[in-house]
Amino acid sequence: DIQMTQSPSSLSASVGDRVTITCRASQSISSYLNWYQQKPGKAPKLLIYAASSLQSGVPSRFSGSGSGTDFTLTISSLQPEDFATYYCQQSYSTLRDTFGGGTKVEIK
Amino acid sequence: QVQLQESGPGLVKPSQTLSLTCTVSGGSISSGGYYWSWIRQHPGKGLEWIGYIYYSGSTYYNPSLKSRVTISVDTSKNQFSLKLSSVTAADTAVYYCARGRGSSTPPPYYFDYWGQGTLVTVSS
Repeated sequence: DIQMTQSPSSLSASVGDRVTITCRASQSISSYLNWYQQKPGKAPKLLIYAASSLQSGVPSRFSGSGSGTDFTLTISSLQPEDFATYYCQQSYSTLRDTFGGGTKVEIK
Repeated sequence: QVQLQESGPGLVKPSQTLSLTCTVSGGSISSGGYYWSWIRQHPGKGLEWIGYIYYSGSTYYNPSLKSRVTISVDTSKNQFSLKLSSVTAADTAVYYCARGRGSSTPPPYYFDYWGQGTLVTVSS
């Protein structure tokens, strides 16, 4: 099975900070990696697909990079509405572990 | 704008079957290139893929749940459904339906539309 590991599991940051979240796959998944944002009590929202493509309507401060096994989600200047939990998701293989464990971004 | 809405009982007894329906509006469930999906989230935990059905009718299930899961489509009502049998307290979760975009070879590339989610509690 492909394991998806996110780090850190949580972080504290201030408005305006540059934030980077990492997702690592246990084997190469090419660029089949997506990022979602989830706010409390809400459904996840697609931010980035295919590792680096910005979903329509998502602010340009969000960006994704990486291929193979190592991926990053970057928020260039953290805004108040960005405090949420972020999940990576591999779409390379139909296996049990599709999503990473999540990274909670909290206010510092 | 595509919208998805889950419906079904919020409380299910242990050993019974959990049944949920997702109603799709703003688009046809028969349109090509989509996987109609169920994903759940245990309280305070991460996301777990349950399974999906391609518009052609092919189904794909999480191996850890495969023996208990059935996903089906009712094109006349533009709905798809989830049945999870022999439930236990470990199946208590928020259940989401979602649309996955992709080709005929799974998995879907990504999930672009989600329902709001419905909490299902398994308890006697």
